[in-house]
Amino acid sequence: NAGVTQTPKFQVLKTGQSMTLQCAQDMNHEYMSWYRQDPGMGLRLIHYSVGAGITDQGEVPNGYNVSRSTTEDFPLRLLSAAPSQTSVYFCASRKEGYYGYTFGSGTRLTVV
Amino acid sequence: AQTVTQSQPEMSVQEAETVTLSCTYDTSESDYYLFWYKQPPSRQMILVIRQEAYKQQNATENRFSVNFQKAAKSFSLKISDSQLGDAAMYFCAYRGGSQGNLIFGKGTKLSVKP
Repeated sequence: NAGVTQTPKFQVLKTGQSMTLQCAQDMNHEYMSWYRQDPGMGLRLIHYSVGAGITDQGEVPNGYNVSRSTTEDFPLRLLSAAPSQTSVYFCASRKEGYYGYTFGSGTRLTVV
Repeated sequence: AQTVTQSQPEMSVQEAETVTLSCTYDTSESDYYLFWYKQPPSRQMILVIRQEAYKQQNATENRFSVNFQKAAKSFSLKISDSQLGDAAMYFCAYRGGSQGNLIFGKGTKLSVKP
């Protein structure tokens, strides 16, 4: 039981490049979310999903795309990276009817 | 929209002493959960304690306890007998009872002095 697995742990991108942050969970959780953490800002919701095939925007969705083709995977795509997307990204999941979220270990992304 | 406010960007406590971290929130929902998360330098998000809004009794987990004042919309965290390992960033978070996502405060950085 690996929990929530995020890859990569670190990434440096050049402005304009695209990439996908991977998130996978093996707990059969229905709810999955992506957050970004910036100094002094706490964690802010980017996108979330309540089940396979269903996604919705959070507080700061611009510049990011998501899809949920399976229960296990919830990738976050940066279409054209910008320096403002330099941040630490967390994926989290939760079982329906359960109170708490399980977090991945995060991805530190730097856009230069 | 729901909001969570942590008014103390940084706090410091002497080892073995007690410290209280403050959190207030705003919501019109009647069913919700409140959480305190700890984030050490390893970056991992660790759930410290949770409180269901319908429960009047304050939650306690070993040295960690909360003071939940529902009418005042206040949810403070008390750490007793502080240890060096308690040094971390602490986040207060809110989750609505239905399909709610977590809404975080901006965090309080806690330092523990030996």
